[in-house]
Amino acid sequence: GQNIDQPTEMTATEGAIVQINCTYQTSGFNGLFWYQQHAGEAPTFLSYNVLDGLEEKGRFSSFLSRSKGYSYLLLKELQMKDSASYLCAVMDSNYQLIWGAGTKLIIKP
Amino acid sequence: EAQVTQNPRYLITVTGKKLTVTCSQNMNHEYMSWYRQDPGLGLRQIYYSMNVEVTDKGDVPEGYKVSRKEKRNFPLILESPSPNQTSLYFCASSFTSGGFSGANVLTFGAGSRLTVL
Repeated sequence: GQNIDQPTEMTATEGAIVQINCTYQTSGFNGLFWYQQHAGEAPTFLSYNVLDGLEEKGRFSSFLSRSKGYSYLLLKELQMKDSASYLCAVMDSNYQLIWGAGTKLIIKP
Repeated sequence: EAQVTQNPRYLITVTGKKLTVTCSQNMNHEYMSWYRQDPGLGLRQIYYSMNVEVTDKGDVPEGYKVSRKEKRNFPLILESPSPNQTSLYFCASSFTSGGFSGANVLTFGAGSRLTVL
């Protein structure tokens, strides 16, 4: 079966750095997405990786290793507004998205 | 403003009373999809549409119907709602659903919270 694993919850301190991991086992691979979702709101797109390596976008970076079936989202200089759930999703060989259950990130002052 | 609009945002209904959740996008997107989100389970796809008049089942289609008569609209129909359909529903769209490009980035609607008593 197809599976995406992420930690259920993480806690970090304002101003610090946090890494949210995502491991996947899917039928084929056509890209990996990270979305941010604040409580009760819609998911919004953060990043897309299809080739191995690091993609940087301001305070957020996303890394992919296709051979290991592994990605992480790195958030730097954490702010209180970064408290949200972070969703990892993989596009399989049929171009269908397989979603992880999400990681709830709690930021403490 | 480019957006996906869902209505209603909140609805409380009773078992068996047919309801429709509307979804409309103004970005000329070909691909549209419905998801439900339940605590601890993440997003689960109900139905999706690659283009007008083309719809397919997702992972959890039982108890739902959809139609895609126009490119911009993709309504979700619950013919006979049951309590296990109480959930947060999201409609989403993208330019396409395939290819190695950002054209498959999803834009989500604000969500529709449905309670079936």
